[in-house]
Amino acid sequence: EIVMTQSPATLSVSPGERATLSCRASQSVSSHLAWYQQKPGQAPRLLISGASTRATGIPARFSGSGSGTEFTLTISSLQSEDVAVYYCQHYNNWPYTFGQGTKLEIK
Amino acid sequence: QVQLVQSGAEVKKPGASVKVSCKASGYTFTSYPMHWVRQAPGQRLEWLGWINAGNGNTKYSQRFQGRVTISRDTSATTAYMELSGLRSEDTAVYYCARDQLWFLAYWGQGTLVTVSS
Repeated sequence: EIVMTQSPATLSVSPGERATLSCRASQSVSSHLAWYQQKPGQAPRLLISGASTRATGIPARFSGSGSGTEFTLTISSLQSEDVAVYYCQHYNNWPYTFGQGTKLEIK
Repeated sequence: QVQLVQSGAEVKKPGASVKVSCKASGYTFTSYPMHWVRQAPGQRLEWLGWINAGNGNTKYSQRFQGRVTISRDTSATTAYMELSGLRSEDTAVYYCARDQLWFLAYWGQGTLVTVSS
């Protein structure tokens, strides 16, 4: 199975600053990569699919990039409501696997 | 709008089975597959398997093969996940999630399953 590794484990960013989250796959997943946001006590919410396509209703400050094995989620100007854990997940083949998450905090 | 409403929390003894339901509304149930994902305390999300809601075909993670059964009732627009041989490590929140071109576009609210003697 494909192993997804996210970095850093925790990221502290000041309001209005840029946040950059990374995700690496142990083998190529092409562009079959999704990002999810999970706030405490809530279900995950889809942010990005196809490595770079924002889901319906997701603000433009969220963007995704990458292909193959290296992917990035960027939040261009951090807002307080963006505090959450972010997970990447591949859907290139079965079994789908998730990264261990990056916890995003406000500095 | 798409809604997935799951059944309530369960407490089970080791060795027992649990069956979680996921009632879907707001779309044509048989047109989209349904996935099941779990999250143990402090752990990453873990994919259990998938059902084609149209023809009932299933695919399971090898890690759960033989213990998990995913089914659906098209007349009730409901998907089910049954996990047998429960152990303490199966304590987790279990989610259903609707497929959209293979990624997980819509999620249920989650069902906490606690395994304890």
